[in-house]
Amino acid sequence: QKEVEQNSGPLSVPEGAIASLNCTYSDRGSQSFFWYRQYSGKSPELIMSIYSNGDKEDGRFTAQLNKASQYVSLLIRDSQPSDSATYLCAVYAGGTSYGKLTFGQGTILTVHP
Amino acid sequence: DTEVTQTPKHLVMGMTNKKSLKCEQHMGHRAMYWYKQKAKKPPELMFVYSYEKLSINESVPSRFSPECPNSSLLNLHLHALQPEDSALYLCASRPDPRLYNEQFFGPGTRLTVL
Repeated sequence: QKEVEQNSGPLSVPEGAIASLNCTYSDRGSQSFFWYRQYSGKSPELIMSIYSNGDKEDGRFTAQLNKASQYVSLLIRDSQPSDSATYLCAVYAGGTSYGKLTFGQGTILTVHP
Repeated sequence: DTEVTQTPKHLVMGMTNKKSLKCEQHMGHRAMYWYKQKAKKPPELMFVYSYEKLSINESVPSRFSPECPNSSLLNLHLHALQPEDSALYLCASRPDPRLYNEQFFGPGTRLTVL
């Protein structure tokens, strides 16, 4: 089983819609959860971090964490063509892998006008 | 200064060359990372430095040699690379090695090995 799994994608939504990106993780000791956006040919850009159960909102982005279900999601409201990118879910595991971020495979999002 | 910088942006080298990649941050972060990323794949961890000491080496071949001369600077020395080493090399930093906090990436160096 992969440690961090994301929607297989690609995901295509119309402009103005809500895009929903999902991520599950296998290590119950995981401490911190991040969403990165990566445009083609560019480096990952941190867009959200979440550390405790519940929702965290930042502008059009909402991250949701449910540690009991080992699930973290990212909602993008009022999606824009500029949101088209690969979204990476990343998790710090606990224990001996301290300091190591584990990434999911990424979900490609396309927002069409 | 709130960014991680990397030089050069692009690098083309032959298999017999020796070159170095440079990463710099002035945010006072005490953990610094090297990642390798191939097309359509997530970043793959290579090395982690915590308080200027190598804390994680993900079994990277010896043709890659990291160096952390001070808390702001991270180098990756390259020697006798193979064409399959062509990739985007990313540097990242985070504030405190003791905490599970955010990592911030530099823009990367696009490396091509001929």
